[in-house]
Amino acid sequence: KAGVTQTPRYLIKTRGQQVTLSCSPISGHRSVSWYQQTPGQGLQFLFEYFSETQRNKGNFPGRFSGRQFSNSRSEMNVSTLELGDSALYLCASSLDPGRSAFFGQGTRLTVV
Amino acid sequence: GQQLNQSPQSMFIQEGEDVSMNCTSSSIFNTWLWYKQEPGEGPVLLIALYKAGELTSNGRLTAQFGITRKDSFLNISASIPSDVGIYFCAGQLSGGNQFYFGTGTSLTVIP
Repeated sequence: KAGVTQTPRYLIKTRGQQVTLSCSPISGHRSVSWYQQTPGQGLQFLFEYFSETQRNKGNFPGRFSGRQFSNSRSEMNVSTLELGDSALYLCASSLDPGRSAFFGQGTRLTVV
Repeated sequence: GQQLNQSPQSMFIQEGEDVSMNCTSSSIFNTWLWYKQEPGEGPVLLIALYKAGELTSNGRLTAQFGITRKDSFLNISASIPSDVGIYFCAGQLSGGNQFYFGTGTSLTVIP
């Protein structure tokens, strides 16, 4: 069974631009969560989606948004990028909300 | 949000030694997960624990769900170089779905 797939793996953007990251969950998994990982802050929860609905949201500004499609694939978008948004963005999928989560390899975003 | 404290923050050990690390919280959790992350990769789930006192093994790894439900422990026996990485704990509150992550324990194994 294929694991969680995140694209792209690496991305370089300029301040002020916007970016969209994609996540395909493990087949059959319906819940997708997004995390931001930085050396200083560790793994920070962004949001969780289930059945195309956002169920939980972490403490991030409105520039960070996401959505989930009917096939459970998810995207997250960051608008008006700032230097501090440089991080590894991780997607995790689980069968249902609250079940054990499996991570993708992440998208390394660098904002210059 | 919930604060999970992991200790130690880093460890440098000789190959063949056993390793112990733990994760503590001020809140009661009903699920504990342990992950390992290698450079440039996402965290990989190692062990999941679902009830107080539970002891679960995965090869040379053993994890325990603390009796108080506020802590969890991970042990690695007879460490090898490929054990190198950052180990994260994650906990889930009773009645909640979100997982909260610890700050990680960085493990270096010296051959």
